[in-house]
Amino acid sequence: GAVVSQHPSRVICKSGTSVKIECRSLDFQATTMFWYRQFPKQSLMLMATSNEGSKATYEQGVEKDKFLINHASLTLSTLTVTSAHPEDSSFYICSAIWTVNTEAFFGQGTRLTVV
Amino acid sequence: AQSVTQLGSHVSVSEGALVLLRCNYSSSVPPYLFWYVQYPNQGLQLLLKYTTGATLVKGINGFEAEFKKSETSFHLTKPSAHMSDAAEYFCAVTETGANSKLTFGKGITLSVRP
Repeated sequence: GAVVSQHPSRVICKSGTSVKIECRSLDFQATTMFWYRQFPKQSLMLMATSNEGSKATYEQGVEKDKFLINHASLTLSTLTVTSAHPEDSSFYICSAIWTVNTEAFFGQGTRLTVV
Repeated sequence: AQSVTQLGSHVSVSEGALVLLRCNYSSSVPPYLFWYVQYPNQGLQLLLKYTTGATLVKGINGFEAEFKKSETSFHLTKPSAHMSDAAEYFCAVTETGANSKLTFGKGITLSVRP
C-alpha cells in the first residue's frame, strides 16, 4: 500500500510553546488528509479534514485557533499545536487519501507530551 | 449519521484458539466497513475492508470478516490466534459517497495467552 510518513514520532515540549507535526504522502498525491487525536486506551477522534489549497474543516469542539492545519501541497499537511498545555498531550495520527472513496493510509502517529 | 459499536474493551484468547471481535454499525446509507490493527505507539494498519460485492472478505494475517446487513454487523475472525496478533483492533465505517471520513469504534485490545 501507499506510504504516509508522520514526523516527529515523539516530541516533548514546554507548556506555552508551539509544536508542528508533519504528515507526508510519500508515493501518491493526497487531495485530502485527516487529523485524529487518540487518548490512551480510547478510539481515534477526528479533529479536522484538510483539502489541498483550502481551509481545513474542523469537527465540533475542536479549537481551530489552537490546532492550526495547513495543507499547502498535495503531499504535505501540517498540524501546529499552538501554546501547548499539558492537556494537549496525546497521540496524534494523520491519514491521507488520493481522492474521494479511496483507501485511507495512516501515518505512524506522533506522541506529544507537554510538560 | 453513522456510528460503530465494539462491545467490551478486552478479549483474551489462548494461542491457537479462535479469535472473534465483534463490531456493529449504524448507518443511514450503505456503508463501507473496515478493520484496522494498531500496535503500541504506531499508526493504523488496514486488515480488511468491505465495500461492495462478496460479503465475506479476507484480509491480511489470516483475518476475515463477514458483512451481515440484517444484523448490521461486521465481526472479525481468525481461526487460530498467534502471539503476534496481540494488539488493538478498531472497526470503522464510512458512508458510500462520503470522502473517506472514517468513524471509529472505541477499539478492542486482543491478548493472546501462550
